[in-house]
Amino acid sequence: GAGVSQSPRYKVAKRGQDVALRCDPISGHVSLFWYQQALGQGPEFLTYFQNEAQLDKSGLPSDRFFAERPEGSVSTLKIQRTQQEDSAVYLCASSLDRVREKLFFGSGTQLSVL
Amino acid sequence: QQQVKQSPQSLIVQKGGISIINCAYENTAFDYFPWYQQFPGKGPALLIAIRPDVSEKKEGRFTISFNKSAKQFSLHIMDSQPGDSATYFCAASKNTGGFKTIFGAGTRLFVKA
Repeated sequence: GAGVSQSPRYKVAKRGQDVALRCDPISGHVSLFWYQQALGQGPEFLTYFQNEAQLDKSGLPSDRFFAERPEGSVSTLKIQRTQQEDSAVYLCASSLDRVREKLFFGSGTQLSVL
Repeated sequence: QQQVKQSPQSLIVQKGGISIINCAYENTAFDYFPWYQQFPGKGPALLIAIRPDVSEKKEGRFTISFNKSAKQFSLHIMDSQPGDSATYFCAASKNTGGFKTIFGAGTRLFVKA
């Protein structure tokens, strides 16, 4: 595809459910990032992949959050035992390589935990 | 830890006027300063960016002014148009050991027709 694709676009989960959010980066992009954006706030860094290697996961808020990119392309962000405070838009971004900093964002997955 | 502070939170400008958004950063290791524009329901999109070795960069109606000693930078939108109404984020990153971009809290701009 021409841009970063995220699915689902919207996700409603009951408190305690596990969810999986998918990101398809731009083909050939080496770097992939996950961000969390609360309502009315700027994106907050969660984690960063270079190809399949997760080089920085310092922004993951708890061990309930887990991300993977097993083949260096598609990535999945998994949240276990969701809590109400997990409600936010989860944005995925990719960039061509680790030197060029321009981020291309998807439209995000809006997660609502009831 | 708020490493990038952005102001104002919201801004209303008349059509044709100049919109000015300010940012301050703390970490002197940052070496790339982009501005992103976000429309409702969309992800942020890169608008313009600057490196600390220049004091100003202009692209069309958009200008970044950068003050390294003060650790501040600003976005100027000349001849603001209703289509510029969006949320603007300043950001900063450092290209060492893998880079992550730190975003400000955002400025909601409304341009009145």
